[in-house]
Amino acid sequence: ETGVTQSPTHLIKTRGQQVTLRCSSQSGHNTVSWYQQALGQGPQFIFQYYREEENGRGNFPPRFSGLQFPNYSSELNVNALELDDSALYLCASSPGPPGEQYFGPGTRLTVT
Amino acid sequence: RKEVEQDPGPFNVPEGATVAFNCTYSNSASQSFFWYRQDCRKEPKLLMSVYSSGNEDGRFTAQLNRASQYISLLIRDSKLSDSATYLCVVDTGGGNKLTFGTGTQLKVEL
Repeated sequence: ETGVTQSPTHLIKTRGQQVTLRCSSQSGHNTVSWYQQALGQGPQFIFQYYREEENGRGNFPPRFSGLQFPNYSSELNVNALELDDSALYLCASSPGPPGEQYFGPGTRLTVT
Repeated sequence: RKEVEQDPGPFNVPEGATVAFNCTYSNSASQSFFWYRQDCRKEPKLLMSVYSSGNEDGRFTAQLNRASQYISLLIRDSKLSDSATYLCVVDTGGGNKLTFGTGTQLKVEL
């Protein structure tokens, strides 16, 4: 086990709603990255936080936002959900960039 | 053109076979390269890093060709337990942006 946990495991939301996904990193891991993985695709980088500051962002609109807290937990918030947001959302932690990333089991989001 | 390209497969091979996966990347400034393994409905896990000098870990050998922007993974003596999706990963942001390929699916059969 990687020591990275995510909640909830599964979630069903309606188009237009907002969602918050949570991740708890390994103790001592200052970096957390979030990814979106659609069915049959590789994970796509959403953003990374290092010591509570955003440290890099992929090609995702501003309605995808995040927070990292001092206790090694983090959140991914998505506003105005669209059907295409249905995917597996993965968080990954590492001791600091660069480095091996340890993935959590993911949250499977379905938008109807 | 995708930043990281892989043949999606699937590759169906008999147990004991040698199989090779290839990957190309478009950003010549990329610094770090990895192979991750992802089992069905599970999270990705690091298989190995890839160095210019090439590196080997048991039955697995990874190679990097910077001039051709090409990465490979060789699996010798395939086991049933090697069945998974293999993801080629390139660090295009100096440690703060990993770009994944779509993955290559491997099925090892009796």
